[in-house]
Amino acid sequence: RKEVEQDPGPFNVPEGATVAFNCTYSNSASQSFFWYRQDCRKEPKLLMSVYSSGNEDGRFTAQLNRASQYISLLIRDSKLSDSATYLCAVTSGYSTLTFGKGTMLLVSP
Amino acid sequence: GAVVSQHPSWVICKSGTSVKIECRSLDFQATTMFWYRQFPKQSLMLMATSNEGSKATYEQGVEKDKFLINHASLTLSTLTVTSAHPEDSSFYICSARPGAETQYFGPGTRLLVL
Repeated sequence: RKEVEQDPGPFNVPEGATVAFNCTYSNSASQSFFWYRQDCRKEPKLLMSVYSSGNEDGRFTAQLNRASQYISLLIRDSKLSDSATYLCAVTSGYSTLTFGKGTMLLVSP
Repeated sequence: GAVVSQHPSWVICKSGTSVKIECRSLDFQATTMFWYRQFPKQSLMLMATSNEGSKATYEQGVEKDKFLINHASLTLSTLTVTSAHPEDSSFYICSARPGAETQYFGPGTRLLVL
């Protein structure tokens, strides 16, 4: 089983739609969780950290389920500019980040 | 957020040559920097952890003699791909950590080995 798994997509949604991604992790000792956004041929940029209590940043909501070992990202009112690949990342041990392969989102007019 | 730069942004070289990539933290000091590699449609794979003033820690399967890492100061780490071959062509990305956990990434270096 891979350490961090994501559905590669692509998720094709119209503008204004709500879309959710899940990410599962295998290491129960994982300590910190993040969502990154990566545009084509660019570096990942931190979108948000994920806390046990769940957290929201504008149209983006992240949640963590430790019991089931998954994290989620919900995007409301999708914009064209949200089209990107969304990577989840997990740290454990020596705080090195382990990334999933990413989920591609395509928002169409 | 914190700024990390990389140079060069892209490089094309002949097989057998060595390529040096620089990673700099511009507005903070980083005792630890990380080097990743990303092949098309794949996830970022950690290659090594670069520690200022000490030897780098390499991930399993990464040849330390091929990928030389030097972290000479708190703001600079370099990765040298020695005797590069076409299979080394990839997107190399560094990151640095100003705090306990959050990592900020450099813009990446695209390497194409002919």
